[in-house]
Amino acid sequence: DTAVSQTPKYLVTQMGNDKSIKCEQNLGHDTMYWYKQDSKKFLKIMFSYNNKELIINETVPNRFSPKSPDKAHLNLHINSLELGDSAVYFCASSQDPMGLANTEAFFGQGTRLTVV
Amino acid sequence: AQSVTQPDIHITVSEGASLELRCNYSYGATPYLFWYVQSPGQGLQLLLKYFSGDTLVQGIKGFEAEFKRSQSSFNLRKPSVHWSDAAEYFCAVGAIRIQGAQKLVFGQGTRLTINP
Repeated sequence: DTAVSQTPKYLVTQMGNDKSIKCEQNLGHDTMYWYKQDSKKFLKIMFSYNNKELIINETVPNRFSPKSPDKAHLNLHINSLELGDSAVYFCASSQDPMGLANTEAFFGQGTRLTVV
Repeated sequence: AQSVTQPDIHITVSEGASLELRCNYSYGATPYLFWYVQSPGQGLQLLLKYFSGDTLVQGIKGFEAEFKRSQSSFNLRKPSVHWSDAAEYFCAVGAIRIQGAQKLVFGQGTRLTINP
């Protein structure tokens, strides 16, 4: 059973297109995240949702819009794709019932986006 | 601002040799520290974590890490590496806890190559 699954695994698209990446977790977690890994393998948080509410929104172009239809899903929609959007995008989830943040995040396999 | 530094971008060791990967962090409060491993084409898997208590933490796959507050370090060690340990290793600090969400700040990663 895959805990955090993302689709697609690979995505090649042309500049200017709009694309979506889907993420689902079956861990029953309340919190989900999107992280971006650039070509130098540097990982940086983009967004976090808790129970469908956006709570972390880093400095990300507004061409990126996360959508959480329910707490098990967090999709990432990207408008007007640019060459610089090429990266690996990771979805993750965590659960922190005591508010202590002492739990780890579980990551999906990643979606490698290539903009040509 | 919180930051994590992994001074070694690439390390090569022989199979069976011992390993130490360095990690230094900058964080004002008590840090929550993590080591993740990323195998080629895979997502991130948690190796171990430190929140409090014993400063020597045991993880999966025979890894351990030691938290040293005086040195702001959380180095990862393994007494004898296996060829399957070849991967990218990321140190992270859990920063900014908001409504159950934890923002992970990652180091640049250390790529581990194993010589047969």
